[in-house]
Amino acid sequence: NAGVTQTPKFRVLKTGQSMTLLCAQDMNHEYMYWYRQDPGMGLRLIHYSVGEGTTAKGEVPDGYNVSRLKKQNFLLGLESAAPSQTSVYFCASSESRNEQFFGPGTRLTVL
Amino acid sequence: SQQGEEDPQALSIQEGENATMNCSYKTSINNLQWYRQNSGRGLVHLILIRSNEREKHSGRLRVTLDTSKKSSSLLITASRAADTASYFCATVNNYGQNFVFGPGTRLSVLP
Repeated sequence: NAGVTQTPKFRVLKTGQSMTLLCAQDMNHEYMYWYRQDPGMGLRLIHYSVGEGTTAKGEVPDGYNVSRLKKQNFLLGLESAAPSQTSVYFCASSESRNEQFFGPGTRLTVL
Repeated sequence: SQQGEEDPQALSIQEGENATMNCSYKTSINNLQWYRQNSGRGLVHLILIRSNEREKHSGRLRVTLDTSKKSSSLLITASRAADTASYFCATVNNYGQNFVFGPGTRLSVLP
């Protein structure tokens, strides 16, 4: 089992460009999450999903969109990247309120 | 705003000593979880304690929960250099699927 995988691992964007981060899990989990982690801070929830076809806003959703068309995939989109979105992005999945399984992260720099 | 707050922010100890980290939170919870993050990696789940539990053990880890004080502690006994990492607490409430992470404690175990 691969667990939770994220694509890409690194990306550099210019201000105003768009991109999509892909998260995939092979554990048949219902719940998936996107977080961002900034230096010296914990994780902040961007969006989450409680099942295929559903999405919900987290703590810091502005500037991001998500889609969960398939149960195993959760996509995070940046329509017009800004320097404030420079961060490390983590995807996670879980079964209900139990432990979360995290991907390795995507390091994004917006110039 | 983040619900969990770890204390201390940073901790440096010698190998073989015990390390204690604390977490405080603000609202009622379903469970509280502790995670470890090695530098540049995703978070790894360590232990989960439910709101009706007071203490839990897993190997060298001991977690306590005091719901009256809205606080938890993580004790790592006989620390090793490999325990060097950041440790985060995450709370899950009874009303949703959100995991709320604190800013973490950076633990350095010196050989």
